[in-house]
Amino acid sequence: SQTIHQWPATLVQPVGSPLSLECTVEGTSNPNLYWYRQAAGRGLQLLFYSVGIGQISSEVPQNLSASRPQDRQFILSSKKLLLSDSGFYLCAWSVYRLRTEAFFGQGTRLTVV
Amino acid sequence: QKEVEQDPGPLSVPEGAIVSLNCTYSNSAFQYFMWYRQYSRKGPELLMYTYSSGNKEDGRFTAQVDKSSKYISLFIRDSQPSDSATYLCAMLRAQKLVFGQGTRLTINP
Repeated sequence: SQTIHQWPATLVQPVGSPLSLECTVEGTSNPNLYWYRQAAGRGLQLLFYSVGIGQISSEVPQNLSASRPQDRQFILSSKKLLLSDSGFYLCAWSVYRLRTEAFFGQGTRLTVV
Repeated sequence: QKEVEQDPGPLSVPEGAIVSLNCTYSNSAFQYFMWYRQYSRKGPELLMYTYSSGNKEDGRFTAQVDKSSKYISLFIRDSQPSDSATYLCAMLRAQKLVFGQGTRLTINP
């Protein structure tokens, strides 16, 4: 069966520090991968999505970036965090071109102080 | 204008009531429609998905899609306190999954 791992679960970082969140998927090949951010009481904002290694589509201009160094690994990064980067970050995957449901990790709650 | 609009609520109903949750969308390119449930501090979990206009039933849940009106709904029958959560609609176009804002639902015993 497929599983998605996302870590860490909670993170507190000072303004101006770098960020690296990692997501890995097991049990499937060539998945679509997504990064979302959810502000408190808000919906999910799509940040990046990827349909293959090295293929990243950015949805929202910001100081975040994403990379996909391996088929089932998706990384969200920032060189210098802003207060406004605080939120709940969710990684998700879906089966490429076959089914449409996306499956989510348990999320990382990031607080920038 | 957002591509997907969802009333954020909050919505509070008594146990046993029928709940109706709704989303509208503006882009006719959306082809697949989903409903997710999210408990506090957890990732969303898929409840139902469909790709055609009409109704799809799964237990106490019914998903309804009206592509001509660009409108989708989720109905919950015999609501239970364990149904209390945030419900998010989601739609797929060109490999991109777009979510509504989410409706916070509370079922009161």
